[in-house]
Amino acid sequence: DIVLTQSPASLAVSLGQRATISCKASQSVDYDGDSYMNWYQQKPGQPPKLLIYAASNLESGIPARFSGSGSGTDFTLNIHPVEEEDAATYYCQQSNEDPPTFGGGTKLEIK
Amino acid sequence: QVQLQQSGAELMKPGASVKISCKATGYTFSSYWIEWVKQRPGHGLEWIGEILPGSGSTNYNEKFKGKATFTADTSSNTAYMQLSSLTSEDSAVYYCARSRGNYVLDVWGAGTTVTVSS
Repeated sequence: DIVLTQSPASLAVSLGQRATISCKASQSVDYDGDSYMNWYQQKPGQPPKLLIYAASNLESGIPARFSGSGSGTDFTLNIHPVEEEDAATYYCQQSNEDPPTFGGGTKLEIK
Repeated sequence: QVQLQQSGAELMKPGASVKISCKATGYTFSSYWIEWVKQRPGHGLEWIGEILPGSGSTNYNEKFKGKATFTADTSSNTAYMQLSSLTSEDSAVYYCARSRGNYVLDVWGAGTTVTVSS
């Protein structure tokens, strides 16, 4: 199975600043020119919510302050400028190879 | 509005089985894979497997073969997951989610909490 390692495990970012979350895969999640990496946001007591798919595509209805980048084994989720409502845990997920797997999560606190 | 409505929390005895439901509204149920995901504190999110309601085709994570069984009823637009021989390791929140392709999970149910306790 592909192992996804997220860093940091938690971070605190001041309102209006940038949050950067990294996700490293144990092997490439690229195929035929596309990167099969997705990002989700989860708030306590709620299900995960899709933010970014295929590494850099913003899901409909998601604010443009969220962005994703990367390819191969290294991916990044950026949030700028951070808002109060962005306090949550963020997960990366690879969908290139069965079984799809998730990272361990990064908890974002807003200062 | 596309939604997935899951059944309520379950308290089960060890060794029992439980069946969780996931009712879809607002889209063509038969055309999209329904994914099942397990979440336990400290264990993150785990993909259990999937079912395509229109054909009944299923795929299981090797880890959950023999534990989970998926079915779907297209007449009621409802997917089901049965978990058998429950142990404390099965205590978790279970989500159903719609995949719009390549395991991109774009719609999620609210989750069903299963607690296994004697």
